[in-house]
Amino acid sequence: NAGVTQTPKFQVLKTGQSMTLQCAQDMNHEYMSWYRQDPGMGLRLIHYSVGAGITDQGEVPNGYNVSRSTTEDFPLRLLSAAPSQTSVYFCASRPGQANSPLHFGNGTRLTVT
Amino acid sequence: AQKVTQAQTEISVVEKEDVTLDCVYETRDTTYYLFWYKQPPSGELVFLIRRNSFDEQNEISGRYSWNFQKSTSSFNFTITASQVVDSAVYFCALSESRGANSKLTFGKGITLSVRP
Repeated sequence: NAGVTQTPKFQVLKTGQSMTLQCAQDMNHEYMSWYRQDPGMGLRLIHYSVGAGITDQGEVPNGYNVSRSTTEDFPLRLLSAAPSQTSVYFCASRPGQANSPLHFGNGTRLTVT
Repeated sequence: AQKVTQAQTEISVVEKEDVTLDCVYETRDTTYYLFWYKQPPSGELVFLIRRNSFDEQNEISGRYSWNFQKSTSSFNFTITASQVVDSAVYFCALSESRGANSKLTFGKGITLSVRP
């Protein structure tokens, strides 16, 4: 079982560059989300989606875009990378019910110089 | 708005000691869900337990136990006879009942170090 797959695992960007973090799940989950993890800050929600064609903002959406064209994929785009976006990014998914636990990918460590 | 507070940031114990990780939450909802996740040094996030707001029974799973008290809005996690493999960051999280739109809010995490 692949579960939630994130690519790449590591990435270094220069300020102003753009890139897309990929996330795919093979569990037919309706809900997908992106979190960032920073030291001492826990995990903070960036964007989430409750189904194909539907996305919404989380706690820290600025500087990021998402789209959900299929149930399986939920890419996260950094339009113009900034050093403040240096972080570890986690994609997660779950079935539609609120009491279902999130299944997390293994994370992407992004450094912006 | 929902909020999760993990006041302890770092805890260090010697192997075989018992340790309790505290979690206090805030929510206006009467139906909500609480979770604990473990993040070992390898970095992945591992789901440990879910508790529904209407089920105040405590739970034990091997060396792990969870104490849910609605009266104090707490959902504490105790590890009995800790082991080096328990060293990790532990996150408590809260989801209000919004159906598909429910979002999971995490505390800032507690770093547990278990020394041999």
